[in-house]
Amino acid sequence: SQQGEEDPQALSIQEGENATMNCSYKTSINNLQWYRQNSGRGLVHLILIRSNEREKHSGRLRVTLDTSKKSSSLLITASRAADTASYFCATDADFGNEKLTFGTGTRLTIIP
Amino acid sequence: DTAVSQTPKYLVTQMGNDKSIKCEQNLGHDTMYWYKQDSKKFLKIMFSYNNKELIINETVPNRFSPKSPDKAHLNLHINSLELGDSAVYFCASSQVGREAFFGQGTRLTVV
Repeated sequence: SQQGEEDPQALSIQEGENATMNCSYKTSINNLQWYRQNSGRGLVHLILIRSNEREKHSGRLRVTLDTSKKSSSLLITASRAADTASYFCATDADFGNEKLTFGTGTRLTIIP
Repeated sequence: DTAVSQTPKYLVTQMGNDKSIKCEQNLGHDTMYWYKQDSKKFLKIMFSYNNKELIINETVPNRFSPKSPDKAHLNLHINSLELGDSAVYFCASSQVGREAFFGQGTRLTVV
């Protein structure tokens, strides 16, 4: 079963606007990660946030984590056409197992 | 210098055949994975290996048999292929608790 659900499933915005995607998960985690997948390609890691962190930045990306609500958000500021992709959250659960469980993904389209 | 490479990229085969997908990582990671991505883009873990040992088998049919000859390689062999096996299969590697690096995927089509 999917650990996480992402919201929205699809998002279209104008270039230059900010894009926000949300992820909810079910179990305790060690960390939460965000990945990007361009059409027909593999997944690329964007950012990792640990369970004891609340916010993390990387370039135009900002990730927040609320472990009490079991949710995370990914904000992409000043979007570009090249940001068009699917975005997935993944959780490294606190089971002692080596696995990442992925959410359902958000399909982001940036309109030039 | 591809970090995680998997071959072939495309695989078209008939029902009932047996096929293999190979994966190699040159990152020195201890953990390797196989994921299946279906037509709705859901990514589901199939197997996880740590230092050549099977850690996770997520209720995958036993027609799927992973093999890890060393910690840099994790191959996936599939027997008696079925139409429902059509999907994109991704290999990945990581150190425990760190980000994963993915291969480019193998698009398997069973006809």
